[in-house]
Amino acid sequence: EDQVTQSPEALRLQEGESSSLNCSYTVSGLRGLFWYRQDPGKGPEFLFTLYSAGEEKEKERLKATLTKKESFLHITAPKPEDSATYLCAVMVRSGGSNYKLTFGKGTLLTVNP
Amino acid sequence: SQTIHQWPATLVQPVGSPLSLECTVEGTSNPNLYWYRQAAGRGLQLLFYSVGIGQISSEVPQNLSASRPQDRQFILSSKKLLLSDSGFYLCAWRQQYGYTFGSGTRLTVV
Repeated sequence: EDQVTQSPEALRLQEGESSSLNCSYTVSGLRGLFWYRQDPGKGPEFLFTLYSAGEEKEKERLKATLTKKESFLHITAPKPEDSATYLCAVMVRSGGSNYKLTFGKGTLLTVNP
Repeated sequence: SQTIHQWPATLVQPVGSPLSLECTVEGTSNPNLYWYRQAAGRGLQLLFYSVGIGQISSEVPQNLSASRPQDRQFILSSKKLLLSDSGFYLCAWRQQYGYTFGSGTRLTVV
């Protein structure tokens, strides 16, 4: 069974205090790993897709990396507006031409001014 | 432009009442569509997916059903709601780079 585990469950940072979120996964045939940001009461907002070990992607203060067993979302000098729940998901093939996305429970990030 | 719409945004329904949530996409054809539920303290759980009109796959046995009457329309239904059906329901559409989610429906069964 595909499993995605995110840690920590919650993280509180001071503005400017860099840190990393972890996503470890156990899947058969990874087709892609996704990071999403979710604000309260809203749908997840796409951040990154990583496809192979060693791949890295950046967007503003965020940088995502991928190994064969886990992914990290590095947050550099965070600001209060970065506060949100960050979700990790893995995509695997699910019969025919369909793919399935399995999510972790997320990390609730709070950045204090 | 390509967009996904979901409604209503919030819904309070009594136990035993029926349910119909609608999701539509614009700017594409033959999309792969998904219904997820997000319950408090749990990750997003895949409920149904559809690769085309009339084609529905269920991921978990439950009190809900889904239908795809038109190419860009995906409907989540129930004949009789249970308390345990409460949650945040999200429709998603698979694009080349990833999945795009709708704004969600907060369902409270009372």
